[in-house]
Amino acid sequence: DVKVTQSSRYLVKRTGEKVFLECVQDMDHENMFWYRQDPGLGLRLIYFSYDVKMKEKGDIPEGYSVSREKKERFSLILESASTNQTSMYLCASMTGTHSNQPQHFGDGTRLSIL
Amino acid sequence: RKEVEQDPGPFNVPEGATVAFNCTYSNSASQSFFWYRQDCRKEPKLLMSVYSSGNEDGRFTAQLNRASQYISLLIRDSKLSDSATYLCAVNRGSSASKIIFGSGTRLSIRP
Repeated sequence: DVKVTQSSRYLVKRTGEKVFLECVQDMDHENMFWYRQDPGLGLRLIYFSYDVKMKEKGDIPEGYSVSREKKERFSLILESASTNQTSMYLCASMTGTHSNQPQHFGDGTRLSIL
Repeated sequence: RKEVEQDPGPFNVPEGATVAFNCTYSNSASQSFFWYRQDCRKEPKLLMSVYSSGNEDGRFTAQLNRASQYISLLIRDSKLSDSATYLCAVNRGSSASKIIFGSGTRLSIRP
């Protein structure tokens, strides 16, 4: 079974803090993704990575950056957290280069910015 | 118009009923389609992929209608444990990145 592990289930941070969300997958997947999920808006792609040190912007990259130094780990960074970044953050991984493979999600991190 | 649209529901049906819901997509070049299930405050989990010819997995049947650009999910003999939000996911092309998720349809099965 694919295992995608996110470092925290719940996180509370203050406005202006630098926040790191970590994600690790154990299936040697090439592709990894960061989404946020908000009521009524569904899942929105922030960034994704198709290989080590490779990244591409998703639909809502503003205010975020990512790091992929090792194949199994994909980090999401909020450079200076703001209250509108309070959300559920979901990491996913996927094998291969073709989209006919499904994505596998981590448990999610519920982030609150005060 | 959203790229992928779902009726948010909630669909409230009695146990044992058959329920179906659709997901429309706007990009006619879409090639891959999926249904995910998401329980409250949990992550989405793949329910089934949707193939061109339609496919069935136990009580669940998925269909693709390319002409009208929608996919459907049918649940027969619904169980209390089927209560969840069902997300559709549609890809726009061959790139792994271009997968768009719907906002989900909430299903509630009552005893």
